[in-house]
Amino acid sequence: NAGVTQTPKFRVLKTGQSMTLLCAQDMNHEYMYWYRQDPGMGLRLIHYSVGEGTTAKGEVPDGYNVSRLKKQNFLLGLESAAPSQTSVYFCASSYIAPDTQYFGPGTRLTVL
Amino acid sequence: GDSVTQMEGPVTLSEEAFLTINCTYTATGYPSLFWYVQYPGEGLQLLLKATKADDKGSNKGFEATYRKETTSFHLEKGSVQVSDSAVYFCALTTDSWGKLQFGAGTQVVVTP
Repeated sequence: NAGVTQTPKFRVLKTGQSMTLLCAQDMNHEYMYWYRQDPGMGLRLIHYSVGEGTTAKGEVPDGYNVSRLKKQNFLLGLESAAPSQTSVYFCASSYIAPDTQYFGPGTRLTVL
Repeated sequence: GDSVTQMEGPVTLSEEAFLTINCTYTATGYPSLFWYVQYPGEGLQLLLKATKADDKGSNKGFEATYRKETTSFHLEKGSVQVSDSAVYFCALTTDSWGKLQFGAGTQVVVTP
């Protein structure tokens, strides 16, 4: 039982490049979330999903897109990376809501 | 909107000292309250939670009581260990989707 995994762990992009972050969970959770963590600001919600095929915007969605084609996977895309998107990205999931969220280990992204 | 305010760190303590981290919140409705902990290089994990007024959450020697009258959820531990060194986040949710609003986090450093 791996819990919540994130791929990749680290990535460096140049401004304007695109990439996709993958989050996978093996707990059959309905709810999945993408957060970004910046110094002094805690975690802020980017997008979330309440089930396969559904997504919704969080607090800071601009510049990001998401997809949940399979229940166990939640993808976060950056179409044209900007230095302001340099951050640590965390994925989380929960079986029901509101309830305990289980977090992945994070992806550290640097945009030059 | 909803918000969480927690004391700034770092908080530096000696082993076996008493730890308090203050957390206050502003929310519409009746939030569920959480404390998450982030150990170095890892994702967040739930430490404890409380879902209604006067509830006390406890885990690993940590406690926090949901005080509606003072809109607070302060974290306490009677005798800290070096292994408690981490960043602690207070968080709340007020909706049925479980979207979390985090405080900025408080770094705790425990020295031998």
